[in-house]
Order: sequence, then C-alpha cells, then structure tokens
Amino acid sequence: SQTIHQWPATLVQPVGSPLSLECTVEGTSNPNLYWYRQAAGRGLQLLFYSVGIGQISSEVPQNLSASRPQDRQFILSSKKLLLSDSGFYLCAWSRKGPDRKHGYTFGSGTRLTVV
Amino acid sequence: TQLLEQSPQFLSIQEGENLTVYCNSSSVFSSLQWYRQEPGEGPVLLVTVVTGGEVKKLKRLTFQFGDARKDSSLHITAAQPGDTGLYLCAGGGNRDDKIIFGKGTRLHILP
Repeated sequence: SQTIHQWPATLVQPVGSPLSLECTVEGTSNPNLYWYRQAAGRGLQLLFYSVGIGQISSEVPQNLSASRPQDRQFILSSKKLLLSDSGFYLCAWSRKGPDRKHGYTFGSGTRLTVV
Repeated sequence: TQLLEQSPQFLSIQEGENLTVYCNSSSVFSSLQWYRQEPGEGPVLLVTVVTGGEVKKLKRLTFQFGDARKDSSLHITAAQPGDTGLYLCAGGGNRDDKIIFGKGTRLHILP
C-alpha cells in the first residue's frame, strides 16, 4: 500500500531563519507531488507541484521554493522565513492520468509558526 | 479561472439532524471530490464523482454530482458528533492533473 510521510509535525522558527520541510512517498512510482498551505483551517492554496524529478511548477510567487531530488521525495524550502510564512503545510501525491477516483493522498501536515 | 464556492461556510447542528452542504462553480469539471479534514491532520478523500447526475452513498453520507458537472452536494442523514470536521470539495479539470479546492464547510455536530 502507498504511504506518505511528512515531517516535522510542528516547527517554530525565528524570522529570517531557513526552512526545510520534507515529504516522501512509499509504495508507488512516478507520482505527481504537491505542496499546499492552509490558513486558519480553511481552503488549500497550491504552492508547488511536480510531475517528475527536477520538474517544479510554482503557483504563487513567494518566499518559498521546492525541489524534487528523487522520484518520491519533495522538499519545501526557504532561505529566510517571514512572519507571513506561518501556516499549516501539506504535502500530497496523486497518480498520473485522467483517472481521478483515487484523488489526492495527503500527509499529516506541518504546523509552522514563524516568530 | 476556475473557482469552487462552498456553502455554508460554517454549520452547527444537533446530533440526529440532517444537513446538506453545497459546492458550486460556473465551470465544468471532469470530476469532483469530497474530502474531510480533522484538526491537525491532512484531508482524507471521501468520494470521487465523475458522471453528471451521479449519486454515491457512503453510509449516512450521500454525494451528488450535478447534471452539468458544475456543482455537487453532500447530504448527511442523522448527523453524529464523529461527522464534525472541515468538508472540502475539489474539482478536476480537463488539463493536467491539478485539482482546485473550495474553501470548505466547517461542520460541528453538537451531542
């Protein structure tokens, strides 16, 4: 079966410090990978998505970047955090192709607080 | 730009009551999904509907996709406190594999 791991679960970082959140998927190959941010328990904002190694699409210009060094590894980074980067970050994966029935599978999220 | 509007934003009802929440758009979607999210966790897929007019049931939850594939509804019968959570709808377009999410309905079932 497929599993998705995201860590850390909680993170408190000072303004101006770097950030690295990691997400790995097991039990599948060549997945689509996504980073979302969720504010105040509301909707999901797509930050980055990737269809393959080294292929990153950015949805929203911001202080963050993403990388996919391996097929099942997706990393969200920042060189200098801003207060506005605080939020709940979610990684997700999906199968490729038009069959939508499996939807997205999400990790358990990282609660980031920038102080 | 495709948008999904969910209503109501918040709903608090007594255990045992029935409820319906809605997901509407002016755009046509190839598929529509419903997720439930609990505090501090990622959303979990409940159902995917792909055919206009399709109805799917998951125990006390009934999901319907509109005939024109622009809207969907989620009906819960005899709500229970375990149904409490954030319900998100998400629509799949015809291009690439991205889906877009509505802002969600926060449901609270009072015991």
